[in-house]
Amino acid sequence: GAVVSQHPSRVICKSGTSVKIECRSLDFQATTMFWYRQFPKQSLMLMATSNEGSKATYEQGVEKDKFLINHASLTLSTLTVTSAHPEDSSFYICSTRSGHEQYFGPGTRLTVT
Amino acid sequence: DQQVKQNSPSLSVQEGRISILNCDYTNSMFDYFLWYKKYPAEGPTFLISISSIKDKNEDGRFTVFLNKSAKHLSLHIVPSQPGDSAVYFCAASAPNTGNQFYFGTGTSLTVIP
Repeated sequence: GAVVSQHPSRVICKSGTSVKIECRSLDFQATTMFWYRQFPKQSLMLMATSNEGSKATYEQGVEKDKFLINHASLTLSTLTVTSAHPEDSSFYICSTRSGHEQYFGPGTRLTVT
Repeated sequence: DQQVKQNSPSLSVQEGRISILNCDYTNSMFDYFLWYKKYPAEGPTFLISISSIKDKNEDGRFTVFLNKSAKHLSLHIVPSQPGDSAVYFCAASAPNTGNQFYFGTGTSLTVIP
């Protein structure tokens, strides 16, 4: 399956600052990448679909001005959490899709203090 | 609206025995189902999948069964090994939902040596 990396794996930031998370598809040209978040003991929730060269598609209830997604190349998508607040603390995971399967990155643990 | 449900949050099984993880869904349009394995602080790893045209798919120690009339699928792991201890998510997709996968809330499996 496709290999997906994320950076950083863990980040702690102060409330009000912005944090950028990178998602790279290492061996697969991904025109589409997905961003999920997972709260403790909860399911993976799709936040947005990142499309190379065009605007991301956000799921209902996800603020596009708060969670900025850029997919500038076939191997890189970035998620920027702007003006982060403690309630944004979560585990953020990206994925790419190949055929029927999705391949996930290792995730990024964001803690906003 | 949780369209994919895993009603057992946790399961403990003795090493060597069979582990059975269950998943129920409500959307009859789902036509592809997947199981993912997730360790803490890591992204999910694809395990096995099944198309709605089949009722069983086997890969080594892992077998997925699909009962469309009951809208139920299960993952059987036999024999269970301590390294299988992880959280297992089932996921489903439908042709009319674009690239979105719907995930269950996960079942934490503990295999006791």
